[in-house]
Amino acid sequence: QVQLQESGPGLVKPSETLSLTCTVSSGSISSYYCTWIRQPPGKGLEWIGFIHSSGNTNYNPSLKSRVTISIDTSKNQFSLKLTSVTAADTAVYYCARLLGYSFDSWGQGTLVTVSS
Amino acid sequence: ESVLTQSPGTLSLSPGERATLSCRTSQSVMSNYLAWYQQKPGQAPRLLIYGASSRATGIPDRFSGSGSGTDFTLTISRLETEDFAVYYCQQYGGPPGITFGQGTRLEIK
Repeated sequence: QVQLQESGPGLVKPSETLSLTCTVSSGSISSYYCTWIRQPPGKGLEWIGFIHSSGNTNYNPSLKSRVTISIDTSKNQFSLKLTSVTAADTAVYYCARLLGYSFDSWGQGTLVTVSS
Repeated sequence: ESVLTQSPGTLSLSPGERATLSCRTSQSVMSNYLAWYQQKPGQAPRLLIYGASSRATGIPDRFSGSGSGTDFTLTISRLETEDFAVYYCQQYGGPPGITFGQGTRLEIK
């Protein structure tokens, strides 16, 4: 079973850039879609976007202008950058594997708080 | 934009009872593109059902999914204490790409 682990700062200042990395173990990230999903405290799930090992990306239109997802297959990692963050971006951020049309493997999630 | 509406918002039942959770989509969805997840406090969501009716690996057979078009259902035949959690449906495809329902909280009565 593939395992995913998010890493990155837990606190980001308003207007700055949120940066997270997902490291995948027990499997290669090639040939499936690597995805970021977030969940504000006490709220539901929001898909942010995904990237394929080929480099193809797809982003949620509501975040597209601020999001970049990149991939490093040599390290079995993929990353998220979200620019110009506000308090509304405070959330638990999950990385997940999209296999087919659903998410079969998830990281444990990492809480990112936007605050000065 | 495709919207997924789950009902009820909260469902209060007792262990041993049957739970029926609904997910209605604003646009018709191919069955392959509909999934269900369970989330417990402090944990990541866990895939239960994919393709509207196929159980994911390791999911007990008391969980079943059904439906087509715009109406989908997750049924838990006999509730066990570990089943009390929040459940989300998820759709792949259509703008904005991937969407989740707002969730149904299943609580112990």
